[in-house]
Amino acid sequence: EAGVTQFPSHSVIEKGQTVTLRCDPISGHDNLYWYRRVMGKEIKFLLHFVKESKQDESGMPNNRFLAERTGGTYSTLKVQPAELEDSGVYFCASSGRRGASGNTIYFGEGSWLTVV
Amino acid sequence: AQSVTQLDSQVPVFEEAPVELRCNYSSSVSVYLFWYVQYPNQGLQLLLKYLSGSTLVESINGFEAEFNKSQTSFHLRKPSVHISDTAEYFCAVSLMIYNQGGKLIFGQGTELSVKP
Repeated sequence: EAGVTQFPSHSVIEKGQTVTLRCDPISGHDNLYWYRRVMGKEIKFLLHFVKESKQDESGMPNNRFLAERTGGTYSTLKVQPAELEDSGVYFCASSGRRGASGNTIYFGEGSWLTVV
Repeated sequence: AQSVTQLDSQVPVFEEAPVELRCNYSSSVSVYLFWYVQYPNQGLQLLLKYLSGSTLVESINGFEAEFNKSQTSFHLRKPSVHISDTAEYFCAVSLMIYNQGGKLIFGQGTELSVKP
């Protein structure tokens, strides 16, 4: 069974440009999450999809970030325009049991974003 | 607000020595507790978790963690480490609230470096 896959694995863009990160969750997982870790800081929650609906987007830093999950399958996270402080690792994760607390959350390998 | 503190950012240790990675949390509601591990060039993997029951939980590769409610701690231990345990370890909590199970709150991470 394929795990959570993310693309691209690494991206270097200039300040002001746009980047789109993609995440394919484990097949059948309704819950999809985005997290990020900026340099030297802890991993922080960005948002949570249940199927195609945003369940919780309280961690999104500002309106330069847009997440979508059309059709309830893969998700994209767009940063537009990118700023230097957006550099870091963006993790996608998924889990299968809707609403359940304590269920195992499976993470992808992360997308490394560098804004120069 | 909830928070997780990993008291050591880096832990160097010799092979076959015991190790303890410390984790304390703060929360006004009950939480589930997790340890994740990130090996070099890989994604986050669940190492072990505490949901309920016995306060001592074990992983398949010899790690164990004990939930101490009075001290709000969830320290990770291994009696004898291997070179292959070199990785970054993350302690995390999630709230025992419906639909909040995927919102993990992470500590800052501890880099375990095992030397021959």
